[in-house]
Amino acid sequence: DAGVTQSPTHLIKTRGQQVTLRCSPKSGHDTVSWYQQALGQGPQFIFQYYEEEERQRGNFPDRFSGHQFPNYSSELNVNALLLGDSALYLCASSFVGGTEAFFGQGTRLTVV
Amino acid sequence: EDKVVQSPLSLVVHEGDTVTLNCSYEVTNFRSLLWYKQEKKAPTFLFMLTSSGIEKKSGRLSSILDKKELFSILNITATQTGDSAVYLCAVEGRGSQGNLIFGKGTKLSVKP
Repeated sequence: DAGVTQSPTHLIKTRGQQVTLRCSPKSGHDTVSWYQQALGQGPQFIFQYYEEEERQRGNFPDRFSGHQFPNYSSELNVNALLLGDSALYLCASSFVGGTEAFFGQGTRLTVV
Repeated sequence: EDKVVQSPLSLVVHEGDTVTLNCSYEVTNFRSLLWYKQEKKAPTFLFMLTSSGIEKKSGRLSSILDKKELFSILNITATQTGDSAVYLCAVEGRGSQGNLIFGKGTKLSVKP
């Protein structure tokens, strides 16, 4: 049983560009949450998708957007990249009403 | 504002030592407190605590929650070099399931 998978593992982008990160949830999970983890900090909640809709959102600007597909996989899009967007982006999956969230290995995004 | 404070931020011990990691929190309508271990990228789940005073154990690791004083501790006995990692504490509020508020983590280094 594959756990949460994310792609790509590493990415380098230039300021002003756009990026798309992908996440496949653990089998049986229907909810996907995205987190941003800056160096030396704990993960910060970006948003959560369930039934193809954004259900909750953290304190992130509209440059951060997402999507969930019918197979429960999800994308995170970031427009107009800033140097401060450099971070590890983590995807976590769970099922609604369930217990703990399972995390993927993350995507390391570097903006230069 | 919901928040989680972990202490200490870093800790260096020798193999065989016992360590206690602390987590204090403020959250609206508490639902659960979770501990994760992060070695390189993906945080891996350790414990989920919802009730006060009930110790959860897994091998050399144990954790307990005090909902009156709003804190939790994670104990690791007979530490090994493989315990070296960042230990993250997170809380979840009712009505915001899956939106985990993380602390900055405690970086534990176990020396041979």
